[in-house]
Amino acid sequence: GIQVEQSPPDLILQEGANSTLRCNFSDSVNNLQWFHQNPWGQLINLFYIPSGTKQNGRLSATTVATERYSLLYISSSQTTDSGVYFCAASPGSFQKLVFGTGTRLLVSP
Amino acid sequence: NAGVTQTPKFQVLKTGQSMTLQCAQDMNHNSMYWYRQDPGMGLRLIYYSASEGTTDKGEVPNGYNVSRLNKREFSLRLESAAPSQTSVYFCASSANPGARTDTQYFGPGTRLTVL
Repeated sequence: GIQVEQSPPDLILQEGANSTLRCNFSDSVNNLQWFHQNPWGQLINLFYIPSGTKQNGRLSATTVATERYSLLYISSSQTTDSGVYFCAASPGSFQKLVFGTGTRLLVSP
Repeated sequence: NAGVTQTPKFQVLKTGQSMTLQCAQDMNHNSMYWYRQDPGMGLRLIYYSASEGTTDKGEVPNGYNVSRLNKREFSLRLESAAPSQTSVYFCASSANPGARTDTQYFGPGTRLTVL
């Protein structure tokens, strides 16, 4: 099955810094999503982005499907950005997602 | 709208006991999912239901059963709990799987410990 790898595993930032999180996947995908899990465990969908670029406020994501990777950009980070960021992908049209192991982000004031 | 709700929030079982985790969504979504999250391993799909009346195995279905009771509710049953099933369980739903703009919405999770 498809393999999803994320890097870096851990990231510590000062408030206001920018960061880039990477997701590599081993097969062509029809479905790729980024999620944020906050320190209380709640999972929130950030982007549905099997290809192209999307932006939502300080967050943006780019997926280069032909090269099998996706990037999540966080600009001007805030302490509320802390948590774990997951990339999840599926080669099929249905949302049978395979999750990566996540990037744990800590933003300090 | 409450979104996706799960009960209970916490549960402790002894090995061999059975229990059912409940999930309900009020967004009129077609598809529902059960995941487990173990430390350092991300989320893994246990079972999913593409639509009311259908269920299918995910990545790690052994030791579990599911029921799609109606469009709103999707339950996960552990018939004989084992310590390896200690995990956090998440339920999720999505409106139109396969649609270009579909996303999954998650419940708050159930933290299960099997002694």
